[in-house]
Amino acid sequence: AQKVTQAQTEISVVEKEDVTLDCVYETRDTTYYLFWYKQPPSGELVFLIRRNSFDEQNEISGRYSWNFQKSTSSFNFTITASQVVDSAVYFCALQGGSEKLVFGKGTKLTVNP
Amino acid sequence: GAGVSQTPSNKVTEKGKYVELRCDPISGHTALYWYRQSLGQGPEFLIYFQGTGAADDSGLPNDRFFAVRPEGSVSTLKIQRTERGDSAVYLCASSARGAYTGELFFGEGSRLTVL
Repeated sequence: AQKVTQAQTEISVVEKEDVTLDCVYETRDTTYYLFWYKQPPSGELVFLIRRNSFDEQNEISGRYSWNFQKSTSSFNFTITASQVVDSAVYFCALQGGSEKLVFGKGTKLTVNP
Repeated sequence: GAGVSQTPSNKVTEKGKYVELRCDPISGHTALYWYRQSLGQGPEFLIYFQGTGAADDSGLPNDRFFAVRPEGSVSTLKIQRTERGDSAVYLCASSARGAYTGELFFGEGSRLTVL
């Protein structure tokens, strides 16, 4: 069975703070993909990143960075110098063995001015 | 439009009624997905189409739910004898080939409320 756990239900920070969103996954597949999506109030899920299980390099894209560690089955997401526009629900998702994505329950991030 | 389009954006119906939700994917995308998102939860997979055929319908909760994609483009999710527990946002996504080979592009969803 595949499972994604996002233990943080809600996080509130003040603008310019750094914030890390945790994601822990479970899978028996040796080949799999991990994703992060952002869901703003409009409801549309916005793709942020996809990482395959063989690539453990950390990735940075502007203020966003991702830390993938197979040893701890984690794929954490850090926003540096957060901004009000970062306020959204963020979902981590796992895909392995099929086209189906398994999503976590999401972390609601509120960035206050 | 350029993105995935879903209609209606909101649907309120009474228990026992029949409902159709429509998804218009990005032009040229062969893969199409339906997900359901309940309040406070992450999206849950319902069904995946590659072209006209349903390649994986393992997420459909029961036989009241059915989806079609007759011409390999627009898809319709059909729910018979709706129940209050069907209330959720139904999300559609498309991809050029499939999630293994590319990102999924999601629509804004159809919010279904069953009274």
